[in-house]
Amino acid sequence: GAVVSQHPSWVICKSGTSVKIECRSLDFQATTMFWYRQFPKQSLMLMATSNEGSKATYEQGVEKDKFLINHASLTLSTLTVTSAHPEDSSFYICSAMDPRATYEQYFGPGTRLTVT
Amino acid sequence: EDQVTQSPEALRLQEGESSSLNCSYTVSGLRGLFWYRQDPGKGPEFLFTLYSAGEEKEKERLKATLTKKESFLHITAPKPEDSATYLCAVQAQEYGNKLVFGAGTILRVKS
Repeated sequence: GAVVSQHPSWVICKSGTSVKIECRSLDFQATTMFWYRQFPKQSLMLMATSNEGSKATYEQGVEKDKFLINHASLTLSTLTVTSAHPEDSSFYICSAMDPRATYEQYFGPGTRLTVT
Repeated sequence: EDQVTQSPEALRLQEGESSSLNCSYTVSGLRGLFWYRQDPGKGPEFLFTLYSAGEEKEKERLKATLTKKESFLHITAPKPEDSATYLCAVQAQEYGNKLVFGAGTILRVKS
């Protein structure tokens, strides 16, 4: 099956700083990737759709200036949380669409962000 | 109105006790229905994709079926290692490439 990686798996940062999370498709090229946020005991909440070579599409209520997404290559998308605050602490998960399989999305292992 | 509803919210089974999880959906123009397994602190793991009513797929102790209104994930003779949250998601024409997730079913299998 398709493999998606994320780095780092967990990160602690101080309030006011920025942190970057990487999402890579390891064995396929992904023109479309997605970024999700998950709160404890809740399902996944889609934050934005990342398309290679174009601007990301953000879901309603997600601040695009706070959550910067860059999809610079067919195997890498990054999410940068700018000026992080404790309320940004969460589990962030990316997924990538495998063009070899109709509509299927494969998820990364997630990144636990804690803002102190 | 929820487009994807999963039931039950939680399910406790004894090892070997077969059961089914339900995922009902109300989207139009279904492109695919997906089942994922998620362990605590990890990303969802892909299990199955179903594309049309009547389709069935199997993997080890799991079997997924699809009708025009719902999908079932049947678990036969579960083992403790099957304990996880099972997520159902749909992709539909009205949402483009996005997945719409249900709230999930938390499964606990006791030995």
